[in-house]
Amino acid sequence: AQSVAQPEDQVNVAEGNPLTVKCTYSVSGNPYLFWYVQYPNRGLQFLLKYITGDNLVKGSYGFEAEFNKSQTSFHLKKPSALVSDSALYFCAVSVINTDKLIFGTGTRLQVFP
Amino acid sequence: DAGVIQSPRHEVTEMGQEVTLRCKPISGHNSLFWYRQTMMRGLELLIYFNNNVPIDDSGMPEDRFSAKMPNASFSTLKIQPSEPRDSAVYFCASSFQPGGEQFFGPGTRLTVL
Repeated sequence: AQSVAQPEDQVNVAEGNPLTVKCTYSVSGNPYLFWYVQYPNRGLQFLLKYITGDNLVKGSYGFEAEFNKSQTSFHLKKPSALVSDSALYFCAVSVINTDKLIFGTGTRLQVFP
Repeated sequence: DAGVIQSPRHEVTEMGQEVTLRCKPISGHNSLFWYRQTMMRGLELLIYFNNNVPIDDSGMPEDRFSAKMPNASFSTLKIQPSEPRDSAVYFCASSFQPGGEQFFGPGTRLTVL
C-alpha cells in the first residue's frame, strides 16, 4: 500500500539559512510525488511535483525538491529561508490507478528573524 | 480563474442540526475531492468524484455524511444530524487529470456546539 511519512512535526530555521523538510514514501511502481504548503486559515497550495525526469524539481517561491529513488525520499529544500515561508508543509503521493493523493501528517516550518 | 469556491466559510450550528457545505470546482476540472482537517487526525479524504460520479467514499465516517455532485460545477457535503465531533475544517479540491495536482478551496470551518 502507498504511504508517505514526514518524520518531523516541526522544523526551525533562521532566516537566510537553508532549509530542508523531509519526506519518505512507500509505493508500488513509479511514484507521483507532491509538496503542498498551508498558510494559517487557508487551503493547501500546490508547490511542486515529481512525475518523471530530472530528480531535482523546482517549484514556487524558490522551493525545490530532490527525488531519491534509492532512499525513497522526496525532501523539500530552499537555499535561503524567509520568515514568510513559515507555514505547514505537506508531502503527498498519488495512489496508483486512482485520482487519490495520500498526504503526510505535515511539518510545521518556523523561520525565525 | 476564481479557483475552487467553497461556502460558507464559517458555520456554527447546534448538535442535531443539518449542515450543508458547498463547493464549486475549477471549470474544466473533472475530479472533485472532499477532505476534513482536524488537529487530531490531520487531513482525511472523505470522498472523491470523477466526472460527477462518486468513485471512492471509503473515507466517509458514517451514514450521517452524504455527498452529491449533480453537475460538473457543483457539489455538496451534507451532515445530518451533526455532532460536536464533526467540528473541523472541510476542504474541497479539484484536479484536471488523474494523478495531477489538486487545487484546494479556502475551506469551511464547521463548529458544532
